[in-house]
Amino acid sequence: DQQVKQNSPSLSVQEGRISILNCDYTNSMFDYFLWYKKYPAEGPTFLISISSIKDKNEDGRFTVFLNKSAKHLSLHIVPSQPGDSAVYFCAATPGGTSYGKLTFGQGTILTVHP
Amino acid sequence: DGGITQSPKYLFRKEGQNVTLSCEQNLNHDAMYWYRQDPGQGLRLIYYSQIVNDFQKGDIAEGYSVSREKKESFPLTVTSAQKNPTAFYLCASSAGQGSSEQFFGPGTRLTVL
Repeated sequence: DQQVKQNSPSLSVQEGRISILNCDYTNSMFDYFLWYKKYPAEGPTFLISISSIKDKNEDGRFTVFLNKSAKHLSLHIVPSQPGDSAVYFCAATPGGTSYGKLTFGQGTILTVHP
Repeated sequence: DGGITQSPKYLFRKEGQNVTLSCEQNLNHDAMYWYRQDPGQGLRLIYYSQIVNDFQKGDIAEGYSVSREKKESFPLTVTSAQKNPTAFYLCASSAGQGSSEQFFGPGTRLTVL
């Protein structure tokens, strides 16, 4: 039972354009959402997060949007740079006493072409 | 220089042998986690510990064991009962209560021959 899904295994964009990575979830108890970036053979690094009480959070070139009614979140990267090429994972947690239990999506491979 | 250390980077074992993966953090974090990543899949939680001397099973705990005797250390043992142990193993930590942001180590690639 995949509670967090990233339905696009890969995404290819041109440098300078917008990258949009999508994530859907099924568990209505999820209260906090995170995006991680991962290079091959390395650990993921935290990018940005959003609480369920918000619908948008920005940090520099990265913006995360949350649509609770649709159980959907997306990560926008503007402008995209070749160094953004990596695997992106979304993750979700119910929070509270389960704050540490992150459920990850399968990941989306982003390739940004110069 | 604070961070999470996992050693070794690559590990080879024969089938039927237990193997212990090391994870150390100097971030003074209360909570620590072990994940497994397989090709084309996301990270799956094996075990987690929110405080010293206490730990809970994650989604795929069968065939694994852990201990948390010190705040800084959370070793994972892959036992011979784990049917498919070859994978990339990631350790993470977080500050503790209320903090969902996890910081990850570089990972250990375990190959069972």
